Formats: sequence, structure tokens, C-alpha cells
Amino acid sequence: AQKITQTQPGMFVQEKEAVTLDCTYDTSDPSYGLFWYKQPSSGEMIFLIYQGSYDQQNATEGRYSLNFQKARKSANLVISASQLGDSAMYFCAMREAPQGGSEKLVFGKGTKLTVNP
Amino acid sequence: DGGITQSPKYLFRKEGQNVTLSCEQNLNHDAMYWYRQDPGQGLRLIYYSQIVNDFQKGDIAEGYSVSREKKESFPLTVTSAQKNPTAFYLCASSKGRGANVLTFGAGSRLTVL
Repeated sequence: AQKITQTQPGMFVQEKEAVTLDCTYDTSDPSYGLFWYKQPSSGEMIFLIYQGSYDQQNATEGRYSLNFQKARKSANLVISASQLGDSAMYFCAMREAPQGGSEKLVFGKGTKLTVNP
Repeated sequence: DGGITQSPKYLFRKEGQNVTLSCEQNLNHDAMYWYRQDPGQGLRLIYYSQIVNDFQKGDIAEGYSVSREKKESFPLTVTSAQKNPTAFYLCASSKGRGANVLTFGAGSRLTVL
């Protein structure tokens, strides 16, 4: 079963507008972490933001914020004031600790964001 | 500057040949990871290692092998048993033994001719 679901294969947004990228997750562990990464066309993965399951407030990092709704198991990324350089693939990921194994990150399939001038 | 170096950036291989992808980090991170990326598939975990001389299989380990003889190095060998090896391979590391924020390398693109 898929642990991380990103239902939007592609999204378009006008420059300077805000955009929300969806992410839902599935876990029975009470302690987990959620991450968002950006992958430009160059291929390198860039860490954007992190939310712990026990964090009381939504995480924010500059123009990035994470809309964390624990009961709905969603961790949507909000990018405010979009810029042309925000055009990239965006991946949601969850830290999980499988029984008998070590912690690892599981990634969703990604959302391709295009910012139009 | 600290970071992760992957080499080669591009690699071509004939069917039936083994190939080794290099991953070196100078971040003093304990944990290292190998992911495979295919179009529309996101990242899938191949192998990971929390400490030297120990590693664990990820979700798609078949046809791959790794070693962790030094803290800073985690090479990945794509063997001839891997049926569809053409992909983009990403190496990552994280501080501590848990899966914290991952730092990624620039990736290696393998094409089987």
C-alpha cells in the first residue's frame, strides 16, 4: 500500500500567486516526520521543510509553509508569492521505522509545478 | 564545502555488465542511502546504511549490492541481475542514525545500451 500519496501529477500557477501542493500519508506510528523536497531540472534534491508529528504549530520556512492536518493525515505544502525559479518537481516524504529495521524516508511520486510569467 | 559527490554523472553500460556508482560524503554523517528514480515513479529506496560495515535492503534491492567499509563512502553496484537498470540514481546521507533531513548528491544517470 502506498504510504505517501501526491494526487496532482502537475500544477500550474501564475507568478506571484500562492499554490498548494497536496500530500496525504498513511501510518499507524504515533511518531513520524514529514518532509518536502524540491527537484529542479538539474536533478539534485533540495530540502524545503519538515514537520514532526508532535509539533503543535505548522512549520514555516520563508515562502514555504506546511499545512499539517493530523486527523486527515495530510501535509500540504503552500508556496506563497510564486517565482519562476519555483518551477520544479516537488516530493513529499515520510520518515518511517519498519519493524525490525532502521528508520528510512519513503517518498511520494511527486508533483510537477510550473510557474507561468 | 561539505557535501556529497556522486560519480560518474552519466554512465553507459552494455547488457550483462556490472557497474559501480560512487558516493562519497564529507559531512561526517552516519547514515547513507541509495535511491532510484524513474519517470513518474518518484524515489524508491534501494539500500541504506546506518553505520560502517552494516547495511539494510530497501524496497527494491534485487539486482543491486552495496558496501560500507568507510563512513564517508557507500558505493552501489548495479549487477547484471538487475533487469531494468536504466534510471537516475541518487545517493543521500543524514546526520545520526535516524532518518533525519537527507542531503542528496547530484545523481548518476545510468543508461543500458
